[in-house]
Amino acid sequence: EVQLVESGGGLVKPGGSLRLSCAASGFTFSTYSMNWVRQAPGKGLEWVSSISSGSNYIYYADSVKGRFTISRDNAKNSLYVQMNSLRAEDTAVYYCARDEVYYYGSKAWGQGTLVTVSS
Amino acid sequence: AIQLTQSPSSLSASVGDRVTITCRASQGISSALAWYQQKPGKAPKLLIYDASSLESGVPSRFSGSGSGTDFTLTISSLQPEDFATYYCQQFNNYPRTFGGGTKVEIK
Repeated sequence: EVQLVESGGGLVKPGGSLRLSCAASGFTFSTYSMNWVRQAPGKGLEWVSSISSGSNYIYYADSVKGRFTISRDNAKNSLYVQMNSLRAEDTAVYYCARDEVYYYGSKAWGQGTLVTVSS
Repeated sequence: AIQLTQSPSSLSASVGDRVTITCRASQGISSALAWYQQKPGKAPKLLIYDASSLESGVPSRFSGSGSGTDFTLTISSLQPEDFATYYCQQFNNYPRTFGGGTKVEIK
């Protein structure tokens, strides 16, 4: 069974840092590009960042560029995002999601982890 | 960045109704579009990929159409479990973008 499990969320003060993790199982993690997608309370989905299977290609939304760093460890079947200089507007549920290889869509999603940025 | 405009942003419908949601891209994206369903407190669920292909296990009352800039998600006969929020997402280029969502409510 394909599974993505996020962890690392919590309450952090503005200007603080947090590292989220996404543990993958049930598929060959090293084959797939991966993404972080977030959803602020009561709002829509926002794509945050993507990383290719071999970490050769990395992309960020303008809203997080220069503050967030996506990475992965294929040996540990894990995806990460290091979030620095956090702002109140970064408060959201953060999901990891898998890109599919042969079609355009993300079938596998984690359950999400909540990040709250507040003093 | 490619913008996706979904309409309507919300709608009220009855069980059995035919429902159509549109997603318009600010520039052509071929068929690089997916549709998701999201229920409160849950992760999005993939319904349609490549603009018109039904994801395995998704009821056949869901269908997608379109290419280029104009796309449609249709629910042929709305069921109680279909009341949710629906999003489109483009995969043509980065930054990846989502539509603003369409909330389908009970009439």
